[in-house]
Amino acid sequence: EDQVTQSPEALRLQEGESSSLNCSYTVSGLRGLFWYRQDPGKGPEFLFTLYSAGEEKEKERLKATLTKKESFLHITAPKPEDSATYLCAVAKAAGNKLTFGGGTRVLVKP
Amino acid sequence: DAGVTQSPTHLIKTRGQQVTLRCSPKSGHDTVSWYQQALGQGPQFIFQYYEEEERQRGNFPDRFSGHQFPNYSSELNVNALLLGDSALYLCASREGGRDTQYFGPGTRLTVL
Repeated sequence: EDQVTQSPEALRLQEGESSSLNCSYTVSGLRGLFWYRQDPGKGPEFLFTLYSAGEEKEKERLKATLTKKESFLHITAPKPEDSATYLCAVAKAAGNKLTFGGGTRVLVKP
Repeated sequence: DAGVTQSPTHLIKTRGQQVTLRCSPKSGHDTVSWYQQALGQGPQFIFQYYEEEERQRGNFPDRFSGHQFPNYSSELNVNALLLGDSALYLCASREGGRDTQYFGPGTRLTVL
């Protein structure tokens, strides 16, 4: 059965304190790994899609990387507006269902 | 360009009642998926619709059913509501042949 595990469950950072979020997955025939950001009470907002080991994507202070068993979301010099829950999901085939991890709640204090 | 829209925003029902949630996909998108997100958890896949047919289904009982219309919009119906059905219901759409799904704002369902 496909499994996605995110760690840590919660992360408290000072503004400017860089850190990494982990997403480990067990899935046969990975099609893609997706990162989303979700603010309280809102729908997930798409960040990145990664397809193959070694691939990296960047957007502002966020950088996502992928290996054969896990993905990392690096937050460089975070700001309070980066506070959110970050969700990782995998898909096995084109357009297939997304299997999500439980998310990492990030709080960045000024 | 409007993104994925969902209605209503919030809904309160009592046990045993039935509910219908609605979703309009992003312009140009033809595939719609529904997810259930309990508080503090990641979304769980309910089902996916393409060409007005259910193409894939997650581990949800038959009380959960859906429909897709010719304009690609979709409905999620839940019968015989249980307290455990209280959750944020998310609709996601994607363009045929592409992988990335885009989510709407969700409908918060509370069952009393």
